[in-house]
Amino acid sequence: QITLKESGPTLVKPTQTLTLTCTLSGFSIKSDAVGVGWIRQTPGKALEWLGFIYWDGDERYSPSLKTRVSISEDTSKNQVVLTMTNMDPVDTGTYFCARLSYGDYGLAEFWGQGTLVTVSS
Amino acid sequence: DVQLTQSPSFLSASLGDRVTITCRASQGISDYLAWYQQESGKAPKLLIYAASTLHSGVPSRFSGSGFGSDFTLTISTLQPEDVATYYCQQLNSFPFTFGPGTRVDIK
Repeated sequence: QITLKESGPTLVKPTQTLTLTCTLSGFSIKSDAVGVGWIRQTPGKALEWLGFIYWDGDERYSPSLKTRVSISEDTSKNQVVLTMTNMDPVDTGTYFCARLSYGDYGLAEFWGQGTLVTVSS
Repeated sequence: DVQLTQSPSFLSASLGDRVTITCRASQGISDYLAWYQQESGKAPKLLIYAASTLHSGVPSRFSGSGFGSDFTLTISTLQPEDVATYYCQQLNSFPFTFGPGTRVDIK
């Protein structure tokens, strides 16, 4: 059974760095030749791509956030980590990780439940 | 970035009704379009990809069509469990933008 689960802090202060972990179960990026992406849902911008990492090393970030976002993989723990610097209250929202299809590039086939992050002092 | 618009933004229909949602892209995207369903408080779920291909396990009352810049999602017979917000997403170019959503409710 394919599942993804996000974990990390629920509250961060402005200017701090957010680190979220996506734990994969039932698949791994390399052996299944898929990707994992991060998508957030904020009141102001609905669903918004942050970035993704694919099995072949392809890594892309939203142009509007690329100076603040990075995604890495911990193969030993079957996890994908999102790091986002200089957090601001407008970054408050629910952060999802999703498994991306092998055949249809960027297609979010399976999603984690999401984790709500609030940015406030 | 490719911009997506959806219409209507909200619709209320009766059980058993046929419901159609449209999605328009700011430029041609071939058939690189997906539809997702998001129930309140839950993560989105993939319904349709490649404009018209039903994802595994999705009921056959859902269908999609379109090519280029105009697409539709149709629910042939509205059921209570279809109450949700529906989003289109383009996969032609990154960032793989989403539409603003269409909320579907039961009258």
